[in-house]
Order: sequence, then C-alpha cells, then structure tokens
Amino acid sequence: NAGVTQTPKFQVLKTGQSMTLQCAQDMNHEYMSWYRQDPGMGLRLIHYSVGAGITDQGEVPNGYNVSRSTTEDFPLRLLSAAPSQTSVYFCASSYSLAGGPGEQYFGPGTRLTVT
Amino acid sequence: AQKITQTQPGMFVQEKEAVTLDCTYDTSDPSYGLFWYKQPSSGEMIFLIYQGSYDQQNATEGRYSLNFQKARKSANLVISASQLGDSAMYFCAMREGGGGSQGNLIFGKGTKLSVKP
Repeated sequence: NAGVTQTPKFQVLKTGQSMTLQCAQDMNHEYMSWYRQDPGMGLRLIHYSVGAGITDQGEVPNGYNVSRSTTEDFPLRLLSAAPSQTSVYFCASSYSLAGGPGEQYFGPGTRLTVT
Repeated sequence: AQKITQTQPGMFVQEKEAVTLDCTYDTSDPSYGLFWYKQPSSGEMIFLIYQGSYDQQNATEGRYSLNFQKARKSANLVISASQLGDSAMYFCAMREGGGGSQGNLIFGKGTKLSVKP
C-alpha cells in the first residue's frame, strides 16, 4: 500500500492564481480530510468527506473547494490564492468506525507559498 | 474556548529519562477519542497512541503510555526511556462523538520536545 499520497510536495503561487492540491489513498477509507498547519496553530480542518459524493466544511473552509467523485481521491482547490493561504497542507484518511480508534493516516504534506 | 490545550510549548529531557507531555481537553460529549501524534522535523504526522473515553485502562504502545484522567479531563503522554529520535513536535488531538463528523480531529498547538544526549 502507498497509503496517503499528496502532490505536489512544494508549490509557489502568485496572488490570484488557482491550483489544485492532489490527495489519494489506496486503503479504501471512507473518511478523508484536509488540514492546514500554520506555525503555533496546530492543525486546522479545512474540509472533510465521509464518502464519495459527500463533503462538508471544517473550521477554516473559506477560499477552498473540494469534491469527492471517487473513494480514492480528494482534491483541494484554491480558487484565488492569497498570502494568508501560505501554509503546509495535510491530507488524511481513516475508516469511519464509530467507537473504534479510527486513527487518521496522514499524507506527507504540501508546502505552499503564496507571494 | 480551546478544546485541546497543550500548555508546554517546549520541553527538554535527558536521554534515557522519562518525560510527560501535558494535554487537557474540553468536551460535553460522553463519547470521544484522544490521540497523540508525533511530527519530526521531516514534517510527517505519525500516529502514536489512542484512548477511548470508555476505555477502562490507560493505553500503552511500547514506550508510549497515555495517562488518562477522565474527571480532570487530561490525557498526558508519557514517553519512557527517551531517545534522541524522540525529538519532535507532539500533538494531542480529540475526536468527538460519532455520525458524519466522527473522523474530525481537533488538535492542540503542540509541544516541542528536545532530547539531550
């Protein structure tokens, strides 16, 4: 298993540009999510999905879109990049098991800089 | 109010000694899970240990144990016999309840642990 993969690993954007961060998992996990990590802030949830065709907003969704057309893929789209979106982005997945540990498996992260 | 509080921004420990990283949480949901993750300087997030709110015993995984005090709403991570490779950021996280958002984790701001030789 490759686990959770993310591309690209690094990206530099100019203000106003758009791009898509890719995330894929090969563990047949129902639940997938996107987090951003900023210095001193821990990880904050952007969007999540509990299955193909179902997405919802997390704590900091503004400026981002997601879709989930397959179980495996969960891309994150930046519509019009802003310097405030400079961050490290993590994709994660887990089984949706009520009452179980359901630990999330994280991808390696994408370091995004917006100038 | 913060749901996960880690009060130690940074800590030092001597190699081979034990260290406790503090975590307190806030929830009114009777069903929740507590997690600890390690983030080394390379950046990946590594799952360490899990404690369910209904678990009767403290969780242990090798050199990691979770000191779960439900009444005090604390879930401290204890690392025994520290190694140089334990130097990293450590994040405490909580998942509340079940249903559609059952996977969502709420993270603390982390504690940076440095192990001295």
